[in-house]
Amino acid sequence: EAQVTQNPRYLITVTGKKLTVTCSQNMNHEYMSWYRQDPGLGLRQIYYSMNVEVTDKGDVPEGYKVSRKEKRNFPLILESPSPNQTSLYFCASSGRVLDEQYFGPGTRLTVT
Amino acid sequence: RKEVEQDPGPFNVPEGATVAFNCTYSNSASQSFFWYRQDCRKEPKLLMSVYSSGNEDGRFTAQLNRASQYISLLIRDSKLSDSATYLCVVKTAPFSGGYNKLIFGAGTRLAVHP
Repeated sequence: EAQVTQNPRYLITVTGKKLTVTCSQNMNHEYMSWYRQDPGLGLRQIYYSMNVEVTDKGDVPEGYKVSRKEKRNFPLILESPSPNQTSLYFCASSGRVLDEQYFGPGTRLTVT
Repeated sequence: RKEVEQDPGPFNVPEGATVAFNCTYSNSASQSFFWYRQDCRKEPKLLMSVYSSGNEDGRFTAQLNRASQYISLLIRDSKLSDSATYLCVVKTAPFSGGYNKLIFGAGTRLAVHP
């Protein structure tokens, strides 16, 4: 089954404690992306990757890091989480032409 | 001004009603357009692409007006299961150059009641 998986699905953490959210896709897609979704603001892109070892900033990259060492995986790293990073996070993947994005189930992060 | 704007709703309609959502975009060079559906606390999923000539998929009709820079989604004979948030999505090249990107509207919430 074609899918994008994310882990963990729910996470409550404290300010400053480094965390990683994993994302994996099994569709051999070149393009992967991370979004955060906040009420009234819609989905905002954090980082994206066009292929292995190719990543770039989206609209709201501050406080986040990513890496793309393998085609299927695109982890999101928060080196020092802060309360304003409390949000719902989605990983997505698509073929090069970006005509359909497949989303993971989401990770609900709370930073206290 | 947001790059993609939608009326947030909610639209509260009875079963069987026809409802229409509009979405406006600011970048006239935008290339492709989509409607995604998002159920509460779930991931967005592609509902349909929007073609220049307009397209229909069962009870759903999408239209594009490039001159006025808006797209629309019409849902006929609404079902309870249509209750969700509908996201307007535009693929565009950034003004500053670089790769194409998808811009998501904040969504329009639809609630269909018996």
